[in-house]
Amino acid sequence: DAKTTQPPSMDCAEGRAANLPCNHSTISGNEYVYWYRQIHSQGPQYIIHGLKNNETNEMASLIITEDRKSSTLILPHATLRDTAVYYCIVALVNDMRFGAGTRLTVKP
Amino acid sequence: EAGVVQSPRYKIIEKKQPVAFWCNPISGHNTLYWYLQNLGQGPELLIRYENEEAVDDSQLPKDRFSAERLKGVDSTLKIQPAELGDSAVYLCASSLGTAPFTDTQYFGPGTRLTVL
Repeated sequence: DAKTTQPPSMDCAEGRAANLPCNHSTISGNEYVYWYRQIHSQGPQYIIHGLKNNETNEMASLIITEDRKSSTLILPHATLRDTAVYYCIVALVNDMRFGAGTRLTVKP
Repeated sequence: EAGVVQSPRYKIIEKKQPVAFWCNPISGHNTLYWYLQNLGQGPELLIRYENEEAVDDSQLPKDRFSAERLKGVDSTLKIQPAELGDSAVYLCASSLGTAPFTDTQYFGPGTRLTVL
């Protein structure tokens, strides 16, 4: 079973920041927080991952709380192409359990 | 760099027929995964290979599903015989497999199977 809790759906206005929350209160000390997204009819796409520190790459930022029990994925300037299902996963790389994710809809 | 390649992209068969899916991982990736994804749900792991060895096949329905990864590169997933409930998207992913705490999985586009 997935170890995370995410809202089933969210909307975001184009050009605004999209903040996707994830609760993972049972995360173990050596488990990473991974974020993937899946655009319709495509395979999941890696976005970002982190252990303790906040992380940023060209796609997004990942903010992990100090107690590691929750995190937020931030898409700084959402575009229509960011409409997708976003999965938050806590695991080692070879033991990923996907939940249902959050369906993010970016609206014009 | 080429991504994970899967074929076919779509397959329609009648129940009780056999079907096979092929996956070519990213060059140099030692770990290969097969997932099943039902409509509206996240992917579920079927089997994981480390090189040519299946190290986690606990979720693979072994009465009708089989998989192989000869020479530790390409992999084939087979269903025989297919049932109506097997209609789903079958995803292949790969990862380097050398750094389990910092590695990432890369997914192919999937094969959409429809069993009539």
